[in-house]
Amino acid sequence: DADVTQTPRNRITKTGKRIMLECSQTKGHDRMYWYRQDPGLGLRLIYYSFDVKDINKGEISDGYSVSRQAQAKFSLSLESAIPNQTALYFCATRSRGGDTQYFGPGTRLTVL
Amino acid sequence: EDQVTQSPEALRLQEGESSSLNCSYTVSGLRGLFWYRQDPGKGPEFLFTLYSAGEEKEKERLKATLTKKESFLHITAPKPEDSATYLCAVQAWNQFYFGTGTSLTVIP
Repeated sequence: DADVTQTPRNRITKTGKRIMLECSQTKGHDRMYWYRQDPGLGLRLIYYSFDVKDINKGEISDGYSVSRQAQAKFSLSLESAIPNQTALYFCATRSRGGDTQYFGPGTRLTVL
Repeated sequence: EDQVTQSPEALRLQEGESSSLNCSYTVSGLRGLFWYRQDPGKGPEFLFTLYSAGEEKEKERLKATLTKKESFLHITAPKPEDSATYLCAVQAWNQFYFGTGTSLTVIP
């Protein structure tokens, strides 16, 4: 089984809809991250969390919110989706004492 | 402003033709530089971490080096299975900044 899983893997939605992307990990890491990837822009950090009660904004948090339900679960929400949020979204985890991030398989989100 | 720039954007090599990918960075409080490989439709896969100028890491046909302002990923005698996008990232304090990647195609 994969250590970092993301659901759904693909999602098409309409402008104005609320959508939640979920990330679960079995690696036991306390740090979790949400990124979006766009062609020509690379990976950009949206939010990161060092534990359940420690959540921080990243480079591009506007229009997004997150919830850390447990150490193993970190969800990303788009309260009112817009077309320029169409992108590939990745979750990543990292251990407290380590530098390496481990990425999930990604969620391809299309907002029409 | 923290920034990571990778070059070239795309690279086509014949099998066995060695080359290098570049990652230049301007960040304050650098804690580490990372190389990842990303295959189409998949998440980035960790390759190397470098912490200080002069450090080198090797794995099969790949060798990563680091100076004070840039890193190189050297690919020796590449094979078609090395075709992928290679991403560079830097850790500045608690955040990670990624470059846009180099798309490598190795032709048999």
